[in-house]
Amino acid sequence: DTGVSQNPRHKITKRGQNVTFRCDPISEHNRLYWYRQTLGQGPEFLTYFQNEAQLEKSRLLSDRFSAERPKGSFSTLEIQRTEQGDSAMYLCASSLGGSPEKLLFGSGTQLSVL
Amino acid sequence: DQQVKQNSPSLSVQEGRISILNCDYTNSMFDYFLWYKKYPAEGPTFLISISSIKDKNEDGRFTVFLNKSAKHLSLHIVPSQPGDSAVYFCAANTNAGKSTFGDGTTLTVKP
Repeated sequence: DTGVSQNPRHKITKRGQNVTFRCDPISEHNRLYWYRQTLGQGPEFLTYFQNEAQLEKSRLLSDRFSAERPKGSFSTLEIQRTEQGDSAMYLCASSLGGSPEKLLFGSGTQLSVL
Repeated sequence: DQQVKQNSPSLSVQEGRISILNCDYTNSMFDYFLWYKKYPAEGPTFLISISSIKDKNEDGRFTVFLNKSAKHLSLHIVPSQPGDSAVYFCAANTNAGKSTFGDGTTLTVKP
């Protein structure tokens, strides 16, 4: 296992298009998180999974965003009808849970909406 | 409402001196506090943590101090090295999971 893998690393799209990102977590990690980060700000929580169950979704998350984690393995984050305000770094992290919960992050997907 | 705040966007120190990064929080329900370090084009990596029932945790050159009554924590790096130059994020979590992050402090260590 080489760490949390995210694809693609960069995505440029036109406003109104749909995009999908993929995250492959550490195989034995049962928790998977999606965060969004914009310049000058810290990672902002979007949603998380315990195995295949989506346990929490940020109330700030538009219904244009959807995430899945089929079979509790990899996860996808889809953004429909992208807007310029969606431009950000999308970070995936996984963990074993526990306290403290230490997140292992991927390198992120940088989304640019033109 | 930002529950975790890092009020200094940047800090510059000389190599060999102490770096002190600060963090304030508002939610008294946080159980653990963590520091992450981030280099450009990489995701954040875990550095050190502290439980809310402790006031100090040390790991090599890194020490985190917690003042629960003031809802304040700080990360001390001594001696600072040029390789420590990065963005440092303070984060907090509860038993329910989900870490809440501050906006980060960019540390520059000058040779």
